[in-house]
Amino acid sequence: KQEVTQIPAALSVPEGENLVLNCSFTDSAIYNLQWFRQDPGKGLTSLLLIQSSQREQTSGRLNASLDKSSGRSTLYIAASQPGDSATYLCAVRGRAAGNKLTFGGGTRVLVKP
Amino acid sequence: GAVVSQHPSWVICKSGTSVKIECRSLDFQATTMFWYRQFPKQSLMLMATSNEGSKATYEQGVEKDKFLINHASLTLSTLTVTSAHPEDSSFYICSARTGATLTNYGYTFGSGTRLTVV
Repeated sequence: KQEVTQIPAALSVPEGENLVLNCSFTDSAIYNLQWFRQDPGKGLTSLLLIQSSQREQTSGRLNASLDKSSGRSTLYIAASQPGDSATYLCAVRGRAAGNKLTFGGGTRVLVKP
Repeated sequence: GAVVSQHPSWVICKSGTSVKIECRSLDFQATTMFWYRQFPKQSLMLMATSNEGSKATYEQGVEKDKFLINHASLTLSTLTVTSAHPEDSSFYICSARTGATLTNYGYTFGSGTRLTVV
């Protein structure tokens, strides 16, 4: 059974610092991995989708890497801003699970002005 | 990009009544939608997979008679919480898969519904 873990569970940084969020998964047989952002009381906003054949994806200040063989993905957010404060979730679509996503527990990020 | 609209964003109901939550794909057809439940400070828990024109598939431990799912069209899935009780109070989120290929698709989520049963 696929398990997804996100470390750390919470992170607080001063504005301007780079953020590094980690996601690990136990079964490397995946179709893709997706990073989401969730603001309090809101739904999920998709940030980046990395296919299993890709090593990384970039969008603006966001960069996500994927090392499928070691079961790891890292989300980098450059030059953090207070508006980046949110919970970040990674989710894996594994081959064994068909079209279901397996979510990590999330990392709550606070960027202090 | 693909947009999933969820309504209402919040609802308060009395114990014993039923509440319907709608999830619509606005600019694409969604043959499959998903319903999640989220408790405070926790991640999402998949409740069921909603398939257009057929019965929903429920995850283990989720009462199908309690949480009725209807996916009557390619753009609308509904979740009805029947005979709601305070323990059903939670944040409910729907999602739909998006993308052009059969294997490389991602997911788009609705904005969620905060249900409070009093």
